[in-house]
Amino acid sequence: EIVMTQSPDTLSVSPGDTVTLSCRASQSVRNALAWYQQRPGQAPRLLIFGASTRATGIPARFSGSGSGTEFTLTISSLQSEDFAVYYCQRYNNWPPLTFGGGTKVEI
Amino acid sequence: QVQLVESGGGVVQPGRSLRLSCAASGFTFSNYAVHWVRQAPGKGLEWVAVISYDGSNEFYADSVRGRFTISRDKIKSTVYLQINSLSHEDTAVYYCARNLEEYQLMSSFQHWGQGTLVTVSS
Repeated sequence: EIVMTQSPDTLSVSPGDTVTLSCRASQSVRNALAWYQQRPGQAPRLLIFGASTRATGIPARFSGSGSGTEFTLTISSLQSEDFAVYYCQRYNNWPPLTFGGGTKVEI
Repeated sequence: QVQLVESGGGVVQPGRSLRLSCAASGFTFSNYAVHWVRQAPGKGLEWVAVISYDGSNEFYADSVRGRFTISRDKIKSTVYLQINSLSHEDTAVYYCARNLEEYQLMSSFQHWGQGTLVTVSS
């Protein structure tokens, strides 16, 4: 089973900062990698699919990069609504689909 | 617009069974695979099961295989998750989610329901 590892567990930042979140796969997932945002009490929201394609309605300050085993999600000019938990997910070599453990972006 | 509405959660005793429902609307139901994903309190996301767009294929996480059964009703545009032999470890919010891509079994999840809470407690 492919294991997805996110780092760091928590990021303490300020509004306006730019942050980079990391996701590593234990073996290549090619570009079958998605990022989700989950605010407290809400369902996850798809941000990025195919490692770098923004989902419909996602602001341009969110960007994804990487392929194979190393991926990053960059959030530029953090807004107050961006403070949330972010998960990566791989969706190849199924089953199972697997999520990373999440990175909490906090003030 | 696309909507997924889960129901059927509640407080249930260990060993009992429960059936969750995911009512879909706003898209061509028979064109998309649907997944169940759960989240234990304060924990991360765990993929549970998927059913293909036509119901011909089902896959499960190792942790639930043999106890959970996913099914779909194209007339009612609803996906179900039958959960048997519930244990405390099954306590979680259960989300249904629809694939981004039509006809694909595995894809990113473009749409999610609001979740339904299952609490296993005696």
